[in-house]
Amino acid sequence: GAGVSQTPSNKVTEKGKYVELRCDPISGHTALYWYRQSLGQGPEFLIYFQGTGAADDSGLPNDRFFAVRPEGSVSTLKIQRTERGDSAVYLCASSLAPGNGYTFGSGTRLTVV
Amino acid sequence: KQEVTQIPAALSVPEGENLVLNCSFTDSAIYNLQWFRQDPGKGLTSLLLIQSSQREQTSGRLNASLDKSSGRSTLYIAASQPGDSATYLCAVRGASGGSEKLVFGKGTKLTVNP
Repeated sequence: GAGVSQTPSNKVTEKGKYVELRCDPISGHTALYWYRQSLGQGPEFLIYFQGTGAADDSGLPNDRFFAVRPEGSVSTLKIQRTERGDSAVYLCASSLAPGNGYTFGSGTRLTVV
Repeated sequence: KQEVTQIPAALSVPEGENLVLNCSFTDSAIYNLQWFRQDPGKGLTSLLLIQSSQREQTSGRLNASLDKSSGRSTLYIAASQPGDSATYLCAVRGASGGSEKLVFGKGTKLTVNP
């Protein structure tokens, strides 16, 4: 596609539920990144994929968070047993190769009530 | 641990004014530095990317400088317009350990008044 697509754009869920957030990167981009942005803050790194593998998952806050990219294209960020503190905008970005500039999607706004 | 600070947190100027946004970082071992623009409810748009070996980059009315040794970057916006109103974010990529992650500042919220 022309840009990075994230779905849904908004997600409201109840505390304790499981959610999945999807990212479609630009076609041919091998590097994919997930960031989380809380209100009034800059984005914080969560995880980076090079191809199908997670090259750096040091930003995942705890084991309730997990991400996959099984075919090296679409990625899904999965959050189990959601907590109110997980409420944030989840941003996905892709780049043609590591070291190139990023293209960000519009994000998914997650609200846990 | 890399920390990025942006000053001021918010800035309001009349249309036509030239302005400077500041970014500082604590670890000078960076691979590159990027300036992004974020509109309300939207993702980030990359404005300028400066490699660690470069001193500045220009695009239209925007000019970004980098002084790696002092841990500082500035974004200069000439002849500001109401359409420039947005939050501007600075981010650095570390040079050590093959890290691909960006470390962001909290941003400067710019309002340009007509």
